[in-house]
Amino acid sequence: DTGVSQNPRHKITKRGQNVTFRCDPISEHNRLYWYRQTLGQGPEFLTYFQNEAQLEKSRLLSDRFSAERPKGSFSTLEIQRTEQGDSAMYLCASSSPGQGFTGELFFGEGSRLTVL
Amino acid sequence: SQQGEEDPQALSIQEGENATMNCSYKTSINNLQWYRQNSGRGLVHLILIRSNEREKHSGRLRVTLDTSKKSSSLLITASRAADTASYFCATGDDYKLSFGAGTTVTVRA
Repeated sequence: DTGVSQNPRHKITKRGQNVTFRCDPISEHNRLYWYRQTLGQGPEFLTYFQNEAQLEKSRLLSDRFSAERPKGSFSTLEIQRTEQGDSAMYLCASSSPGQGFTGELFFGEGSRLTVL
Repeated sequence: SQQGEEDPQALSIQEGENATMNCSYKTSINNLQWYRQNSGRGLVHLILIRSNEREKHSGRLRVTLDTSKKSSSLLITASRAADTASYFCATGDDYKLSFGAGTTVTVRA
């Protein structure tokens, strides 16, 4: 079990540029989540996948944000035309429901975005 | 908007002391979870307590839940320097958790 992996860990970009983050969940987990965390706050839910299907998107996920999980394994989160307000830590988590499901999410180390 | 609110926002204690933090939430829940986050890192699940449970223990952690008051507490006993972190409570259904703003705990050596 290698845990949830996120890349890159840090990204500095200029306003208006596009950025993409990748998340590799724990291999047997079919559920994948993206959260955003700003300084001094708790994580806020962005979106959720079960296998390759994106089942819910938060209102926080504007049209500039798109998330995919094409084969039900890794996921990408793209932000187009970045704005300074997008500066945050983007956290990916995975889980596997079923027998013994505890509701526990397994988080990656996050991808920190700084928009200049 | 965030469902839970932790109190206090920050806590500084001496190594070996106990640390207690509280979480209040707004709507009815099926369960409540506590997570820890070391500075600049991801969150780590600590413990989950179901709505029909009043108290749960895990190692040096003790969690209580009072659904009538919509509140929970996390107690860390015999704190260590490694317990320095932010602690978050989280509520929600099985795929969408709402986190509070957290309690930052600093354990002084």
